[in-house]
Amino acid sequence: TQLLEQSPQFLSIQEGENLTVYCNSSSVFSSLQWYRQEPGEGPVLLVTVVTGGEVKKLKRLTFQFGDARKDSSLHITAAQPGDTGLYLCAGAGNNDMRFGAGTRLTVKP
Amino acid sequence: NAGVTQTPKFQVLKTGQSMTLQCAQDMNHNSMYWYRQDPGMGLRLIYYSASEGTTDKGEVPNGYNVSRLNKREFSLRLESAAPSQTSVYFCASLRGQGTISNYGYTFGSGTRLTVV
Repeated sequence: TQLLEQSPQFLSIQEGENLTVYCNSSSVFSSLQWYRQEPGEGPVLLVTVVTGGEVKKLKRLTFQFGDARKDSSLHITAAQPGDTGLYLCAGAGNNDMRFGAGTRLTVKP
Repeated sequence: NAGVTQTPKFQVLKTGQSMTLQCAQDMNHNSMYWYRQDPGMGLRLIYYSASEGTTDKGEVPNGYNVSRLNKREFSLRLESAAPSQTSVYFCASLRGQGTISNYGYTFGSGTRLTVV
């Protein structure tokens, strides 16, 4: 059983559409991170959220940390083919990060 | 600035063979990690090293050993490879002293290992 559940597992959309992916857990995290991973590469950090209710924006990407610090969402506005990749959330444990299985996003031109 | 370098990128082993995956970072980070990534299961921690000279087990350590050779290098060894160890292996480093910070991991580009 995954500590962090990500949904949907797969998402295929057309360029220009908006989308939201989710990261949920029954555990409380001191911080939560989002990474994007492209084929043949390691994950790359997008953002860290620390405070419950926190919202961070990175260009067309909006990240939100739930009030109870158990869940998070990533919203992409006007998706582009360059957004294609595996989006991973990770929650801070005592000595490491625990990762979800990811949402694989495909944005078609 | 190379970041985290892993070698090799690809490897095929026969069951029972041994091998060592190499990892080096040039960012002067204290903490280093080995993860494996399997479809549908996310990244799972194998071993980590909070600082030079220390290593600790992660979530899935069985069948693996590690060596923190110096501050830069952290190797992962499979003594007797099994098909269940077929996976993509990632090394990562982190600023800070073994606790999670806001900086996030820097990952290598991975080693794709197949055990037949």
